Amino acid sequence: KAGVTQTPRYLIKTRGQQVTLSCSPISGHRSVSWYQQTPGQGLQFLFEYFSETQRNKGNFPGRFSGRQFSNSRSEMNVSTLELGDSALYLCASSLGVSEDEQFFGPGTRLTVL
Amino acid sequence: GESVGLHLPTLSVQEGDNSIINCAYSNSASDYFIWYKQESGKGPQFIIDIRSNMDKRQGQRVTVLLNKTVKHLSLQIAATQPGDSAVYFCAEKWGGKLIFGQGTELSVKP
Repeated sequence: KAGVTQTPRYLIKTRGQQVTLSCSPISGHRSVSWYQQTPGQGLQFLFEYFSETQRNKGNFPGRFSGRQFSNSRSEMNVSTLELGDSALYLCASSLGVSEDEQFFGPGTRLTVL
Repeated sequence: GESVGLHLPTLSVQEGDNSIINCAYSNSASDYFIWYKQESGKGPQFIIDIRSNMDKRQGQRVTVLLNKTVKHLSLQIAATQPGDSAVYFCAEKWGGKLIFGQGTELSVKP
């Protein structure tokens, strides 16, 4: 079965702009989690959505937001981009039950100039 | 605070040798731990997990050890192969969130 897909794979934006990233989970998975990966901070949890509801949230400013659609696809949005938002944004899907395996997508590489 | 750290940022081993990657976690309430492998240009890939009611779990060529007394986690890879070269992350599940360590880069010399 198809894995987690993320679009676009690469993105270049300038400071102050906003960006929307998309994630399509594995078929049948209802949970989607988003992570930011940078060399300095490593992998940091952004938020998790389950059945169109945000179930968990990490320690990121309100400029970072997300949503999930009825087909479990998810988007995350970053407004008023800052240079420090340059990172690899990873999406992971799972069935959504406790301690089930998360499957990661390849990520979207965002560069903010 | 919540943090998961690794003792060694880089590890170089000879092909065929065993590798041991270590991880310290800070939250004693964490009850689920996972090791991930991340190759260049790819997302993390699940290797093995362990629940807090266990102290050892074995997979194919990999073993995870959990020492709750000192809050330490390790990943052992037997007969390391060139394909094992990657960055390895430990992660703990706490409060419904996965908290990742900084990662250890494993380099396998032929």
